[in-house]
Amino acid sequence: DTEVTQTPKHLVMGMTNKKSLKCEQHMGHRAMYWYKQKAKKPPELMFVYSYEKLSINESVPSRFSPECPNSSLLNLHLHALQPEDSALYLCASSRGLAGSFGELFFGEGSRLTVL
Amino acid sequence: GQSLEQPSEVTAVEGAIVQINCTYQTSGFYGLSWYQQHDGGAPTFLSYNALDGLEETGRFSSFLSRSDSYGYLLLQELQMKDSASYFCADNTGGFKTIFGAGTRLFVKA
Repeated sequence: DTEVTQTPKHLVMGMTNKKSLKCEQHMGHRAMYWYKQKAKKPPELMFVYSYEKLSINESVPSRFSPECPNSSLLNLHLHALQPEDSALYLCASSRGLAGSFGELFFGEGSRLTVL
Repeated sequence: GQSLEQPSEVTAVEGAIVQINCTYQTSGFYGLSWYQQHDGGAPTFLSYNALDGLEETGRFSSFLSRSDSYGYLLLQELQMKDSASYFCADNTGGFKTIFGAGTRLFVKA
């Protein structure tokens, strides 16, 4: 199994809603990532979990709250988002340090629209 | 700072060869990766160069020259399905992968 699975694929939410994005991988990877991607732009790193501990937070607003319940699962909790947060949210995993092997495995993404 | 520069668009015809260049200015550069992303899809890893030289994977090859802070992705025997965005990325040796702005490749019949 070489997949990273993300749900939901599409999400529309109001600015007062609370929702969560979910990500799952069964490749035994110990690093998991959340990226945000706007149209025609590269992915931007948001959070990194290594061995289920938060390693990197790229100064992401607190309305985004990551959670890593176990080595296979990664969640992104969303609350009080703004319309400018509308984007494709990509989950990724790597065997270890992405720099060691150079490869990130990405999920198909959750396309979020904030009204 | 860290930055990777690549052309915004490249157009080529089916069956041709195209080269997408990437120059970088990053502190602590570790290695250069290449990703392909079709519209509406996920980025997919294509290749990785940790050392200078050419890496070949089927129709795709990637090259790195550390002394020139330069790399490229070479796509041979272009097919319509190769129309996509291509990103070069610096792995920085850690968890933080820095992506270039991306090159949109248009393959014409």
